[in-house]
Amino acid sequence: DADVTQTPRNRITKTGKRIMLECSQTKGHDRMYWYRQDPGLGLRLIYYSFDVKDINKGEISDGYSVSRQAQAKFSLSLESAIPNQTALYFCATSDRRPGQGAGETQYFGPGTRLLVL
Amino acid sequence: SQKIEQNSEALNIQEGKTATLTCNYTNYSPAYLQWYRQDPGRGPVFLLLIRENEKEKRKERLKVTFDTTLKQSLFHITASQPADSATYLCALDWGHGNKLVFGAGTILRVKS
Repeated sequence: DADVTQTPRNRITKTGKRIMLECSQTKGHDRMYWYRQDPGLGLRLIYYSFDVKDINKGEISDGYSVSRQAQAKFSLSLESAIPNQTALYFCATSDRRPGQGAGETQYFGPGTRLLVL
Repeated sequence: SQKIEQNSEALNIQEGKTATLTCNYTNYSPAYLQWYRQDPGRGPVFLLLIRENEKEKRKERLKVTFDTTLKQSLFHITASQPADSATYLCALDWGHGNKLVFGAGTILRVKS
């Protein structure tokens, strides 16, 4: 089974609708991230969480919100979807062990392809 | 703000040759630099990490160099194979809370 799973894998929605993308992980990592990927722009950080009680805005958080329901679950919501939120969305996790400096790797889910009409 | 540049044009090479991909950045050097591979429709997969005090890192057919004077990392795949065809992303970590900043990636196509 995959360590980082995302649901749904594909979603088509209409402008103004609220949608939620979900991410679950079995890696036991404390840190979780949401990115969006657009052609030619690479991955951009939306929100990240370093533990269950920690939520931080990333580079492009406007129009999005997140919830960290448990160590293993991190969901991304679009309160009122708009067409320019059409993109590929990735969840990722990383682990910081005691005594380890920055630079640990991130593990990505398979992505959710979202189309907003 | 920090800027990362990867060649937006695809790199086409013949099987067996060495592929070299470039990652350039602006402003101050990151504490760490990572390279990821991404296949179409899939999430990125970590390949290698190099620290600012390291010049070179190797893993099997892969080699990464890090030149903080040139503000550049080179990613080499020796004896390339068609299965190496993918998009390769560089990601920089400036050590501020372990947030990675990704480049847009370079597409590599290896032809047999």
